[in-house]
Amino acid sequence: DSGVTQTPKHLITATGQRVTLRCSPRSGDLSVYWYQQSLDQGLQFLIQYYNGEERAKGNILERFSAQQFPDLHSELNLSSLELGDSALYFCASSVVGYGYTFGSGTRLTVV
Amino acid sequence: GESVGLHLPTLSVQEGDNSIINCAYSNSASDYFIWYKQESGKGPQFIIDIRSNMDKRQGQRVTVLLNKTVKHLSLQIAATQPGDSAVYFCAENFYDNAGNMLTFGGGTRLMVKP
Repeated sequence: DSGVTQTPKHLITATGQRVTLRCSPRSGDLSVYWYQQSLDQGLQFLIQYYNGEERAKGNILERFSAQQFPDLHSELNLSSLELGDSALYFCASSVVGYGYTFGSGTRLTVV
Repeated sequence: GESVGLHLPTLSVQEGDNSIINCAYSNSASDYFIWYKQESGKGPQFIIDIRSNMDKRQGQRVTVLLNKTVKHLSLQIAATQPGDSAVYFCAENFYDNAGNMLTFGGGTRLMVKP
């Protein structure tokens, strides 16, 4: 157990739908990062939050959004889902840019 | 099983041999580097890290070498075991105006033959 908890582990949904992925960071970590891993693109950085505020953005689609709550857990919202959004979504947490620890991921399948 | 890329470079080694996995990173301003191991269906697992003010760091059976001149990172695994079979990623951390960001290389699949 890495200390980073992601739920759900698996999610199957239809095109056009909206889903929410949840991440609880490791105790004491203020930063949360979201990554997408698909078959042909490896691990792609989506977005980072630090203590509730957005700090960095990668190649995140406008249909995707995230937030970090006062208790430091984070949610990644994916809307108007397309088949190409099927992927593993990972959350990582860290203490300000060092010691990144990953969760076990959410596997999203869009049908 | 889970695949993290259809066209990953693959390194095949005999059990007991040493393995060397290489990575070229992109940003000369990166200050921190990490090697991760990813097994099928699991999240990336931290193996070893190194800061940019060092050129070598050793762990248990693993060594990371950093060559900033050519922006090259390598992971050496001693006495490779079947349990080392996985995909290995290097990652670099750098800061820009937006904050710090950890970006990943494309990964190398290590296959250990018994």
